[in-house]
Amino acid sequence: DTAVSQTPKYLVTQMGNDKSIKCEQNLGHDTMYWYKQDSKKFLKIMFSYNNKELIINETVPNRFSPKSPDKAHLNLHINSLELGDSAVYFCASSHFFGQTSGNTIYFGEGSWLTVV
Amino acid sequence: AQSVTQLGSHVSVSEGALVLLRCNYSSSVPPYLFWYVQYPNQGLQLLLKYTSAATLVKGINGFEAEFKKSETSFHLTKPSAHMSDAAEYFCAVSLIQGAQKLVFGQGTRLTINP
Repeated sequence: DTAVSQTPKYLVTQMGNDKSIKCEQNLGHDTMYWYKQDSKKFLKIMFSYNNKELIINETVPNRFSPKSPDKAHLNLHINSLELGDSAVYFCASSHFFGQTSGNTIYFGEGSWLTVV
Repeated sequence: AQSVTQLGSHVSVSEGALVLLRCNYSSSVPPYLFWYVQYPNQGLQLLLKYTSAATLVKGINGFEAEFKKSETSFHLTKPSAHMSDAAEYFCAVSLIQGAQKLVFGQGTRLTINP
């Protein structure tokens, strides 16, 4: 069973469209994330949710709207797609940090978004 | 602010040779450090992590890393490279900003020559 699964894996769309990427984890974690990997392979956090509450929002354009219907799901909706949004988007999950920042963060397989 | 620098965006070694991927960190507090591997068109897989229990950390696939506070380093090694080790490797430091987040280095692409 896949621990962190995200769909679709590949997405090609035109500028101006709206698209969503779905993510689900079956690890029993209460914290989920979205990371973005750009064309140079650089990885950076976008959002973090804990028990459906937004905790981290890393100055991402408001065209990006995460939604967490429950703690096992975190979806990413992107409005008015731009060429620069082309990237790989990774969903991830972990236990809440508690007393340590050493919890392992588990990543999904990634969603390759190409905007044309 | 915590940050990570990986020295060498591309490392090439022969099959059977020693693999050494370098990572230096900057942190104002005792760091938690991670190495992840990304195979082509796949997600990130945890290789190993340092959480202050032991300075020499053993991970999957024969990899290990040593935390050296005096050198602010967390280099990844493997005694004998296999063709299957060809991938992108990321070093990351974990910090708390409302929630845990990973700050990644730039990544190092490892190529294995037959």
